[in-house]
Amino acid sequence: QQQVKQSPQSLIVQKGGIPIINCAYENTAFDYFPWYQQFPGKGPALLIAIRPDVSEKKEGRFTISFNKSAKQFSLHIMDSQPGDSATYFCAASISGYSTLTFGKGTMLLVSP
Amino acid sequence: DTAVSQTPKYLVTQMGNDKSIKCEQNLGHDTMYWYKQDSKKFLKIMFSYNNKELIINETVPNRFSPKSPDKAHLNLHINSLELGDSAVYFCASSQEVAGASTDTQYFGPGTRLTVL
Repeated sequence: QQQVKQSPQSLIVQKGGIPIINCAYENTAFDYFPWYQQFPGKGPALLIAIRPDVSEKKEGRFTISFNKSAKQFSLHIMDSQPGDSATYFCAASISGYSTLTFGKGTMLLVSP
Repeated sequence: DTAVSQTPKYLVTQMGNDKSIKCEQNLGHDTMYWYKQDSKKFLKIMFSYNNKELIINETVPNRFSPKSPDKAHLNLHINSLELGDSAVYFCASSQEVAGASTDTQYFGPGTRLTVL
């Protein structure tokens, strides 16, 4: 049973475009939703995270939108750059329980 | 100064062999993890240790045995390696703050295991 569903599997945008990656979750006990970025040959690294008490969070060019009633959240990358080309994972967890449940990842390619 | 380090970075071995992967974190974290990333890049938790005690053991064959000699180290020993064990294994750590988990996990660079 996949508790966090992520789409699309891959995404190609031109430089300056706004890629959007979507995730949906099933467990209403989840209360922490991070996004991790992974470059080839590296481990995932936390990019940005949100808790369900807010509907949006921005950090630089990265924005998470959160819809609690729909149990969905998404990552938007403004003014995307070739250096943003990476695999992006959404995840969810219950505070205090450590375990992150990851989506299957989205491979993003930003063309010059 | 690497926060979470793993050795080796690459491991190529024959089926049936026993191998170990080492992980160390210098962040002072209480919790450490092992993840498996398959060829489709799917990340799946294998084990979680808190203060040297096993707290999560997902459905993993008992050929995999984690060992935590102290809070800063979590090693993964794999017996009787099989072709399907080929994957990238990531170690991670996080800090649990009582009543308010930070939840941020810091990942190591990964160990690419290839079983021939």
